[in-house]
Amino acid sequence: GAVVSQHPSRVICKSGTSVKIECRSLDFQATTMFWYRQFPKKSLMLMATSNEGSKATYEQGVEKDKFLINHASLTLSTLTVTSAHPEDSSFYICSASPRFANYGYTFGSGTRLTVV
Amino acid sequence: SQKIEQNSEALNIQEGKTATLTCNYTNYSPAYLQWYRQDPGRGPVFLLLIRENEKEKRKERLKVTFDTTLKQSLFHITASQPADSATYLCALDGGDMRFGAGTRLTVKP
Repeated sequence: GAVVSQHPSRVICKSGTSVKIECRSLDFQATTMFWYRQFPKKSLMLMATSNEGSKATYEQGVEKDKFLINHASLTLSTLTVTSAHPEDSSFYICSASPRFANYGYTFGSGTRLTVV
Repeated sequence: SQKIEQNSEALNIQEGKTATLTCNYTNYSPAYLQWYRQDPGRGPVFLLLIRENEKEKRKERLKVTFDTTLKQSLFHITASQPADSATYLCALDGGDMRFGAGTRLTVKP
């Protein structure tokens, strides 16, 4: 149990276009999901906390108008990279916790975004 | 400011030996600490969680210790195998999950 599905796994887009990444909890409900960004050989940097039914909480330095987060249901959060630029190219990962005792967070398999 | 430090960027060991990874933190008072494994191009996979009132936790060949006085956790892999080669991340949950930079472990046959 406790599976998080992330889609797409890879996407290439042109500069100026928008890309939507989906994160689904398949067998549990998640009122909170987290979005991370990871550069090569670097650790995960928390971008924002996605809250079901309310606005996301963004980390300092993360542009909320560029990285739109929607958490419309207890099993789905989406991250939309708007007007993408090559510097937005990165590995994006979502996570959620089933809040079982002694259980950590489950991560999606990540999305490799390349903006050309 | 809050910091999570994994003091070795990379660790190389011989198969069969015990790998020991260190995680230190400052300006946190975590209720628990977690360890994850990440393979290239994949999301992290949860390994172990240890609570502040637990000194040690084991799972198969894995052992984690947690010293809240030293603000340190040690992660051990005994009888290491080449398949254990990966990046290992420690993480603290203070309402949101934050990660150390990770230690890239290579186990050589």
